[in-house]
This record gives sequence, structure tokens and C-alpha cells, in this order.
Amino acid sequence: KAGVTQTPRYLIKTRGQQVTLSCSPISGHRSVSWYQQTPGQGLQFLFEYFSETQRNKGNFPGRFSGRQFSNSRSEMNVSTLELGDSALYLCASSSTPTETQYFGPGTRLLVL
Amino acid sequence: QKEVEQNSGPLSVPEGAIASLNCTYSDRGSQSFFWYRQYSGKSPELIMSIYSNGDKEDGRFTAQLNKASQYVSLLIRDSQPSDSATYLCVIEGSGAGSYQLTFGKGTKLSVIP
Repeated sequence: KAGVTQTPRYLIKTRGQQVTLSCSPISGHRSVSWYQQTPGQGLQFLFEYFSETQRNKGNFPGRFSGRQFSNSRSEMNVSTLELGDSALYLCASSSTPTETQYFGPGTRLLVL
Repeated sequence: QKEVEQNSGPLSVPEGAIASLNCTYSDRGSQSFFWYRQYSGKSPELIMSIYSNGDKEDGRFTAQLNKASQYVSLLIRDSQPSDSATYLCVIEGSGAGSYQLTFGKGTKLSVIP
């Protein structure tokens, strides 16, 4: 079975721009969670989707949003980028919200 | 605010020794506990999960859980240089039907040949 895939793998943007990141879960997995990882804060939960519904959201500003499609693929969007948004964005999928999460390789975002 | 505390390290152990990684957490309602390993530049991978008090062994790895003390640990026996990585303690709590993972900031382990 193919693992979780994330595109793009690397991204460079400038302040004020917006960005969309994509995550394709493992086949058959319906739950997708997004995390932000920075050296200072570690891994922080952004949001979780299951069956196209956002079930849980972390403590991030409204500039961070996401969605899940009927095929379980998920996208997250960050608008009005700030320097502090530079991070590794990780997506994890599981068959259901209570099952083990498997992480994708991440998208490394650099905001200049 | 759920918190997971880990010693950031680095923890250095000689090859063949036992590495002991510790973690405390704040949410008494936490149900599930995990250890993820993250190599530099890679994404986290699950190595152990534990749900009830006591020890759980899997090969060279042993996870220990004490809910009364809100304490989780991971022992790595016969440490190998390939075990050098950052180990993330993760708890899963439930509330209002949703499940969320809270990660510690990780302990960096270095196994010296």
C-alpha cells in the first residue's frame, strides 16, 4: 500500500501571499490530521478531518484553514503568510480518528 | 491546555547500553500513549503504543505507563547507532467525541559507537 503523500515537498513564498498544501492519505483511510512543526514549538495540531467534516481544530489563527474531499484527500490553506509560518507541515492519515496515525513526508514552507 | 513534557536532551549513550526516555503529561483524561521516532529531516514514525498501566515490550523497546503519576517512559535496550533520532512522546485525549494528539517537543538521543 502506498503511504501518505504530500505535495509540494518544498515551497518558498513571500509575506502576504497565500499557499495551499495537499495531502493524499493511505488508500482506505478516511481521517486526515494536519500538524505544524517548528524547532521552537515542536509539533502542533492544526486540524482533523473525517468524512469531509472538520472534527477538531487546534489553536491557530483563522488564516489557517483546510478541507477534505469525498475521496479523503485533504488540502490546507494559509492566507496572508507571515515569517513565523515557516515550518514543516505534516499530514497524517488513519482509517478512523481513533486508529494509529501514519505521517506523510511533509511540506517544508519557507516564508521570506 | 494539555501539556506533554520531555527532557530535550541530547541524551548520549554508548552503543549496547540502555537508553531511558521519560515523559510527563498534564491531562488525567488521556487514554492512549505513543512513542514516535523522528530521524533528522524525516517525518515521525510510530514505534510503540500503550494504553494501560504497566510495561509493554516489543523487541528492544519497552514502554512503561503509570497513569497515577502521569508518567510514560521508553526504554531502548542494546542501543544501536541507528537508534539515534528524536523521540516524541505523544498522548491522545478524548473530549466531545473528537480525538487529538498532543506531542512533546522530543528528546534527542545520540548513540555513540
